[in-house]
Amino acid sequence: DAKTTQPTSMDCAEGRAANLPCNHSTISGNEYVYWYRQIHSQGPQYIIHGLKNNETNEMASLIITEDRKSSTLILPHATLRDTAVYYCIVGILIQGAQKLVFGQGTRLTINP
Amino acid sequence: KAGVTQTPRYLIKTRGQQVTLSCSPISGHRSVSWYQQTPGQGLQFLFEYFSETQRNKGNFPGRFSGRQFSNSRSEMNVSTLELGDSALYLCASSSQGAVAEAFFGQGTRLTVV
Repeated sequence: DAKTTQPTSMDCAEGRAANLPCNHSTISGNEYVYWYRQIHSQGPQYIIHGLKNNETNEMASLIITEDRKSSTLILPHATLRDTAVYYCIVGILIQGAQKLVFGQGTRLTINP
Repeated sequence: KAGVTQTPRYLIKTRGQQVTLSCSPISGHRSVSWYQQTPGQGLQFLFEYFSETQRNKGNFPGRFSGRQFSNSRSEMNVSTLELGDSALYLCASSSQGAVAEAFFGQGTRLTVV
């Protein structure tokens, strides 16, 4: 499983864009990049995923570099409820079998 | 659509006992995965079931086992409990597809004393 590297913690002001980086230099061609977040005492919540193109949904945008060795999750207008641990995961689905390998994640704090 | 339901939410057991945790996936989801979360090790994959078959297994001792029923509900069992088994146990369900997002339950917090 490819390994990911994320900053341990980050701060962002409420209303500003939060940009969370992730390095995955050993990612292989058929591995996807997933982002999940975990708010204290809850189960992780899926945010977004991508293979090579940039992706956007109602929660966030995912920017993947052309060489796919790094990516950035963007929360466009962070709110206090976005305070959580954010996990960047790379993984492959084989016949639908899914195993998420979580790293330590980035603890994002949104400040008022 | 109801989410992933895990029961019980909290459990206290004594060393040496065994425990069974239950997970009901989202309706229509056939894949169920289990994870252990501890402050020291973070989130670690235990195993994944699909259509009553274990397809993936993490690096945990044989004391940790699981099964899936024909209605996709899953149970995990831990025998001969140790203090180090105290953790939040999370279940996730997903539908089969080229890329599938996993939906997690609230977890069962197990305390071994």
